Order: sequence, then structure tokens, then C-alpha cells
Amino acid sequence: AQSVSQHNHHVILSEAASLELGCNYSYGGTVNLFWYVQYPGQHLQLLLKYFSGDPLVKGIKGFEAEFIKSKFSFNLRKPSVQWSDTAEYFCAVNARSQGNLIFGKGTKLSVKP
Amino acid sequence: GAGVSQSPSNKVTEKGKDVELRCDPISGHTALYWYRQSLGQGLEFLIYFQGNSAPDKSGLPSDRFSAERTGGSVSTLTIQRTQQEDSAVYLCASSSRGRAEYNEQFFGPGTRLTVL
Repeated sequence: AQSVSQHNHHVILSEAASLELGCNYSYGGTVNLFWYVQYPGQHLQLLLKYFSGDPLVKGIKGFEAEFIKSKFSFNLRKPSVQWSDTAEYFCAVNARSQGNLIFGKGTKLSVKP
Repeated sequence: GAGVSQSPSNKVTEKGKDVELRCDPISGHTALYWYRQSLGQGLEFLIYFQGNSAPDKSGLPSDRFSAERTGGSVSTLTIQRTQQEDSAVYLCASSSRGRAEYNEQFFGPGTRLTVL
């Protein structure tokens, strides 16, 4: 069965610090990969996605993620976080043969001003 | 608006009662998904509709849960004889493609269900 692991449950950073959130998945076939963000009181929004091509993908608000196929990883990065990045971040995988997304349990990011 | 809408936004019910949750997908989207978000369990897939095909019900946790999609658009998730463990936020998503290469799902605001 497919699964997604997010290594950090809660990350606390100061503004301007660099961010890397880990995500690993288990599935042997071709996948689509996503990071979603949920700001306090808001609904899930797509941050970035990988379907094919360049494994380094850039999303909104300065976020990027790198797909490393050999490591089954899709880590999220941002060079300098802002207080407004405080949110919960979800990594998700969609096998090309299936419709639904499999989500990680989420990482809560708190950025101190 | 052009996004996915869900109603009600909040629902409080008593244990044993039935509830219906509604989802209006983005116009023209052929695929519709229901997920559940609860503390400790994260986001779990429940059911998936793609066009006129039979729905993928593989994520439904029990036979108390069912869903319909009428006319290929609006969907209703029904939970019968609600239990306290059903308390969660129920999310709906839609996409223009289902089992396809580019499956980007857009989420609604969710319905927060509380079973007393």
C-alpha cells in the first residue's frame, strides 16, 4: 500500500531562517507529487506540484521542492521564511493509476517574528 | 465564486442521527473526491467519482458512509447513525482529470462535523 511520511510534526523557526520539510513516499510506480498548505482558518491550497520533467519545481511564495526518485523523496524548501508562512504543510502522492491523493500527516510550521 | 463549495460549514449532531454533507465542485470538473481530516489521523481518502464510472469507495470506513453524485456535478456524503469517532472535517475536492497524468485537485473549505 502507498504511504507518505513527513518526518517533522512541528517545526519552529525565526523569520529569515531557511526551511526544509522532509517527505518520503512508498510506491513503486509512477507518481504525481504535491505539497499543500493550510493557513490558520483557511482551506487547503496547492503550493506546488510535480508531474514530470525537471525534478526541481518552484511553487508560490518562494517555495520549491526537489523530487529525488532514488530516495522516494520530495522535500520542500524555502531559503528565508516569513511570519506569514506559519501554517500546516501536507505532502501528498497520487499514483498515476489511481485518482485519490495519499497524504502525509502534516507538518506544522510556526515562524516567530 | 469559481472554487469548490461545501455546506454546511459546521454541523453539530447527536450520536445516532444521520447527516448529509454537500459539495459543489468547480464547474466542468469531472472528478470529485471526499476526504476526512481528523486529529491523529491526518487526511484520509473516502470516495472518488470520475464521470459516469462507478465510484471508488475503497476509503469508506464503514457501511454507515455513502455518497452520491447527481448529474455529474453536486455530491452528497451521507453518514448514518453517526458515532463520536465520525467527528472530523470533511473535505471535498475536484479536478478536471481523474486517473490521469495531470491530476491537480482543488479543495473546498470543508464541513466541520461534531457528534455529541
